[in-house]
Amino acid sequence: DAGVTQSPTHLIKTRGQHVTLRCSPISGHKSVSWYQQVLGQGPQFIFQYYEKEERGRGNFPDRFSARQFPNYSSELNVNALLLGDSALYLCASSLREPYEQYFGPGTRLTVT
Amino acid sequence: AQKITQTQPGMFVQEKEAVTLDCTYDTSDPSYGLFWYKQPSSGEMIFLIYQGSYDQQNATEGRYSLNFQKARKSANLVISASQLGDSAMYFCAMRELASGSARQLTFGSGTQLTVLP
Repeated sequence: DAGVTQSPTHLIKTRGQHVTLRCSPISGHKSVSWYQQVLGQGPQFIFQYYEKEERGRGNFPDRFSARQFPNYSSELNVNALLLGDSALYLCASSLREPYEQYFGPGTRLTVT
Repeated sequence: AQKITQTQPGMFVQEKEAVTLDCTYDTSDPSYGLFWYKQPSSGEMIFLIYQGSYDQQNATEGRYSLNFQKARKSANLVISASQLGDSAMYFCAMRELASGSARQLTFGSGTQLTVLP
């Protein structure tokens, strides 16, 4: 079975631009979470969606938004990019709460 | 607020020996789950082991075991018979489980494990 997939793998953007990151969960998983991992740190929670509804939001500015589609895939959008947004963005899916989350390979975003 | 502390930025272990990675946590929620993840240089987070706060026995998964000491709020990961492929960053994480609790995993800062041949 395919694991969590994320696209693109790598992305380079300029300050002020907008970016959309995509995630497809493991088949049958209805919960998707997004995390930001800055180099040298542990992942920080951004959003969680379950059955297309937002179930949790971390301490991130309104420039960050997300949504989940009927097929349970998800998008993370970041507007007005800052240099500090450069990070590995991880998507995780789970069959049901509160058990283990399975992570995708991540999207490495570089903002110049 | 939940918090995870990993005090060992880096650890070295000889191949085939056991190693313990430390993790302490803080929460006011009586119901919570503790997780350990491995992150190789490729970046993907690999789930290793889970321990629930009400579980009576310490969790084990193959060469991984979790030394859960609830009163001390510690959840150390023990890797037995280390292999070269175990070299990676290891993260301890926690999720509060009570109704209305935050849904996210909270991660520690990680421990970089290097297995020496």
